[in-house]
Amino acid sequence: SYELTQPPSVSVSPGQTARITCSGDALPKQYAYWYQQKPGQAPVLVIYTDNMRPSGIPERFSGSSSGTTVTLTISGVQAEDEADYYCQSADTSGTQGVFGGGTKLTVL
Amino acid sequence: EVQLLESGGGLVQPGGSLRLSCAASGFTFSSYAMTWVRQAPGKGLEWVSVISGSDENTYYADSVKGRFTISRDNSKNTLFLQMNSLRADDTAVYYCAKVWGRGRASYYGMDVWGQGATVTVSS
Repeated sequence: SYELTQPPSVSVSPGQTARITCSGDALPKQYAYWYQQKPGQAPVLVIYTDNMRPSGIPERFSGSSSGTTVTLTISGVQAEDEADYYCQSADTSGTQGVFGGGTKLTVL
Repeated sequence: EVQLLESGGGLVQPGGSLRLSCAASGFTFSSYAMTWVRQAPGKGLEWVSVISGSDENTYYADSVKGRFTISRDNSKNTLFLQMNSLRADDTAVYYCAKVWGRGRASYYGMDVWGQGATVTVSS
């Protein structure tokens, strides 16, 4: 079955830039989405259709795409950004959704 | 305010069945596809199923195909997940979620999530 690959963990100091990658063969054909999840809470959509930011999401969150890799960038990381981040997309046929394994962002 | 409220979770024995419901409010329910996503204890998110706004299209993860059925009642703004032949590895928090836009291109991005319903499969 189709898989999306994320690094298990990323660590940055406050004010630095965090980049979280997500790789998958179908990403050139399917949109990618990013979610933030804090402990005990439901996920929150932070990026949709590769690079669009929903209303209410801070401008420091951005998304980009290049070939089979999409990237979530958090500029000027704040302590409140510490969370698990998941990418999501669909298989080539568009008949199954898939999540990456998740990346734990630690703010040092 | 857009809201999703799941119900129907609980403890069930292996091989048993359970039906989850998700009551939607604050948006035109029939205009949007809806999805179910689950999260096993201490694990990541797993996409389970999606149903189009007028339920002409339904898709499932391989792990639940043939055992779970997604459906909706647009007259009651309610989404369902019928789960049969439950196994221990189906134990998870089940979230219902609204897709971000209209049409098939938006089937896999969710902008509103419920608080989750806990399903425990154990003898």
